[in-house]
Amino acid sequence: AQTVTQSQPEMSVQEAETVTLSCTYDTSENNYYLFWYKQPPSRQMILVIRQEAYKQQNATENRFSVNFQKAAKSFSLKISDSQLGDTAMYFCAFMKVFTGANSKLTFGKGITLSVRP
Amino acid sequence: NAGVTQTPKFQVLKTGQSMTLQCAQDMNHEYMSWYRQDPGMGLRLIHYSVGAGITDQGEVPNGYNVSRSTTEDFPLRLLSAAPSQTSVYFCASRDRDTYEQYFGPGTRLTVT
Repeated sequence: AQTVTQSQPEMSVQEAETVTLSCTYDTSENNYYLFWYKQPPSRQMILVIRQEAYKQQNATENRFSVNFQKAAKSFSLKISDSQLGDTAMYFCAFMKVFTGANSKLTFGKGITLSVRP
Repeated sequence: NAGVTQTPKFQVLKTGQSMTLQCAQDMNHEYMSWYRQDPGMGLRLIHYSVGAGITDQGEVPNGYNVSRSTTEDFPLRLLSAAPSQTSVYFCASRDRDTYEQYFGPGTRLTVT
């Protein structure tokens, strides 16, 4: 079974600064996806970024980038130029690649990020 | 294109009552799932479906039933509500090619 660990329950960052959210996972699989989801106070789950395990290049989406270390099973999210709208809970998630059925996401417990003005 | 829709947004039940949480998607996704979110627990999978007529249990299935008669709809039934089922419930559907999951807006359920 896969597990996803987010060890920091809360973080705070000053507006315009950079913050890194940590995530580690445990799996024996070689082919999988990793995701970061954002959940603002509206509670809507929003996909921030996705990383395919077989790609060595780290994914980036505007101010969001990841540091994917496959051997270390680490998948951290870096938010540059933090904005007040980045205040939210962030979840790291893992999904095994199947040719058939089960497509479940395994989530970490989340981290609450507060951006200070 | 509405994506994934869920109704209701809020619900209060008394212990022992039954209800159905509705979920629909208009993206023709085969894969659909139900998750519950509890404080400090992340999201946990309740049930999932890989196509019409095919469902299976996830991590926390007890007390819940599902069915999938069409590609679009995936309702979640609480047969006899218990206070332990107080939670926020999310329905999601998955893109077959990108593996991206699209989430509905969630239902906050309180069982008293």
